[in-house]
Amino acid sequence: QVQLQESGPGLVKPSETLSLTCTVSGGSISSYYWSWIRQPAGKGLEWIGRIYTSGSTNYNPSLKSRVTMSVDTSKNQFSLKLSSVTAADTAVYYCARDWGRAGFDPWGQGTLVTVSS
Amino acid sequence: QSALTQPASVSGSPGQSITISCTGTSSDVGSYNLVSWYQQHPGKAPKLMIYEGSKRPSGVSNRFSGSKSGNTASLTISGLQAEDEADYYCCSYAGSFFDVFGTGTKVTVL
Repeated sequence: QVQLQESGPGLVKPSETLSLTCTVSGGSISSYYWSWIRQPAGKGLEWIGRIYTSGSTNYNPSLKSRVTMSVDTSKNQFSLKLSSVTAADTAVYYCARDWGRAGFDPWGQGTLVTVSS
Repeated sequence: QSALTQPASVSGSPGQSITISCTGTSSDVGSYNLVSWYQQHPGKAPKLMIYEGSKRPSGVSNRFSGSKSGNTASLTISGLQAEDEADYYCCSYAGSFFDVFGTGTKVTVL
């Protein structure tokens, strides 16, 4: 079955850019939507945005000015960049397959990103 | 866009039924039958339990059911079991290709 794995730096300095990659295994990344979702410690989930394998994207309006997503079908990967980070961006970041408004499934295990100098 | 409102906690005894509410607005929950529900155990990734309001993915127990009335969606867990103790989140399509999650509910099995 399809599995997702997030990867990237666990520590990012304030004002810098957070970069994460999600690698999809057990199936093709093509012809699906893929989303990023984050969760600060002890808090709820926040949808960051989605990308289709054509490269079209939708972003959370509250983050839109700082978010860029991309996809590399040759590597079965998609990526997240979040610029100008602050401590408020410290969270566990999840990637998930997005069934186009029919839910997110499956999810990666999540990766903790801490924003600190 | 504000998060959907869920009760902070709900509890029940084994075998009982509990219902978790998820209140939005006419712009999200009220406009679309596109609410999904997620179960999250501590330290784990969320798991899809209900999609499109009331549909269960393959492998999810039929003890979990979803419904909607007006601007409020609900998740009912019947025959409550110890393994159901977890955090639960709703999520709704909110138009303009945007999704919004609920505030989350901690379910405790007494």
